[in-house]
Amino acid sequence: DAKTTQPPSMDCAEGRAANLPCNHSTISGNEYVYWYRQIHSQGPQYIIHGLKNNETNEMASLIITEDRKSSTLILPHATLRDTAVYYCIVTRGSWGKLQFGAGTQVVVTP
Amino acid sequence: DSGVTQTPKHLITATGQRVTLRCSPRSGDLSVYWYQQSLDQGLQFLIQYYNGEERAKGNILERFSAQQFPDLHSELNLSSLELGDSALYFCASSLDVAGEEKNIQYFGAGTRLSVL
Repeated sequence: DAKTTQPPSMDCAEGRAANLPCNHSTISGNEYVYWYRQIHSQGPQYIIHGLKNNETNEMASLIITEDRKSSTLILPHATLRDTAVYYCIVTRGSWGKLQFGAGTQVVVTP
Repeated sequence: DSGVTQTPKHLITATGQRVTLRCSPRSGDLSVYWYQQSLDQGLQFLIQYYNGEERAKGNILERFSAQQFPDLHSELNLSSLELGDSALYFCASSLDVAGEEKNIQYFGAGTRLSVL
């Protein structure tokens, strides 16, 4: 699976959009980009995933660049409950382990 | 609530002892994954079972073993425990249907193991 690079931390004001970048320059054509988050020692939670098109669900939007070498997770209106570590993971589709890196610690402040 | 149940929530034991962690996957999910999260190593994949068979192995120690039963629940056995085994152990489950593009894993709340 391709390696990912994320900033170690970022702050966001409550109510504003949080844009979380992820670099995955060695991604292969059949690899997907997944985002999970972990709220303080709870089990990780799936957020969204995509292959090449931008995706949106009730939690977030995922923007993938045309060359697929990077992506951005957007939390449109951050709340205090969005404070968590966010993991960007690149993996093939149906099977297999998730390889978690260090992630980005996001702190949403009032 | 992810639908994945892990028991116990907390476990305190002594070095050299053996413990068993239990995981009940979401209804209908065939795959169970075990992960270890320690302060210095982050979240590490240990092992995966699919429909009762071992599917993939990560950096799982020989002192650790797992199995998945016919009802699809899984147990992780940790023996000859050392101080460094203190960690959060997460179980995750997924459907893993062949040809399905998604690999969404649903995680339990974890078992916190403290080895004293």
